[in-house]
Amino acid sequence: QVQLVESGGGLVKPGGSLRLSCAASGFTFSDYYMSWVRQAPGKGLEWVSYISGSGRTIYNADSVKGPFTISRDNAKKSLYLQMNSLRAEDTAVYYCARGIPPGLAVAATHFDYWGQGTLVTVSS
Amino acid sequence: SYELTQPPSMSVSSGQTASITCSGEKLGDKHVCWYQQKPGQSPVLVVYQDNKRPSGIPERFSGSNSGNTATLTISGTQAMDEADYYCQAWDTSSVVFGGGTKLTVL
Repeated sequence: QVQLVESGGGLVKPGGSLRLSCAASGFTFSDYYMSWVRQAPGKGLEWVSYISGSGRTIYNADSVKGPFTISRDNAKKSLYLQMNSLRAEDTAVYYCARGIPPGLAVAATHFDYWGQGTLVTVSS
Repeated sequence: SYELTQPPSMSVSSGQTASITCSGEKLGDKHVCWYQQKPGQSPVLVVYQDNKRPSGIPERFSGSNSGNTATLTISGTQAMDEADYYCQAWDTSSVVFGGGTKLTVL
């Protein structure tokens, strides 16, 4: 069965850095787009970043362009999010989510599996 | 940037039909999906590509999308359907989420 397990969250000071990881299993990881989606406490879902199966195509939300970098290692079946220059407003649960399968247009993007999330708290 | 608008909250009596709307400019030209999220849990995809249901999602969940409005319909709403619901679409190299609708089942 499909499993996505995030790790790497924690407490970090403003201006600090953190690297999130997502370990995938139960499907051909390299075939699928993957994404990071975050949710601030008591707030709605906010898309962060999206990467193609090969890693060659990346889309980022304007709010994180520059400080955040998505990447993947298909050999390790892992997705990453490098977060730099963290601010208090980056405090959220960060979810890893599986995107579109092969052959589907990116315009039909939807996320059919989600991890349990990892909490990132930015505070002094 | 593109925006999707949902009512913040709505209520429905148990056994009745709930219709949750999501509006955006020319939304009918895009593919819309819907997620259900219960407190303390990760989101679950309940409808994708406007009106398709993932495996395991009950038939009472259905979707439509036309003009500027997409609608998630829950027929015969049950207590277990009480949750937050989010619509989502793709626009110009970005994933866009609606603000979410808190559905209360009375």
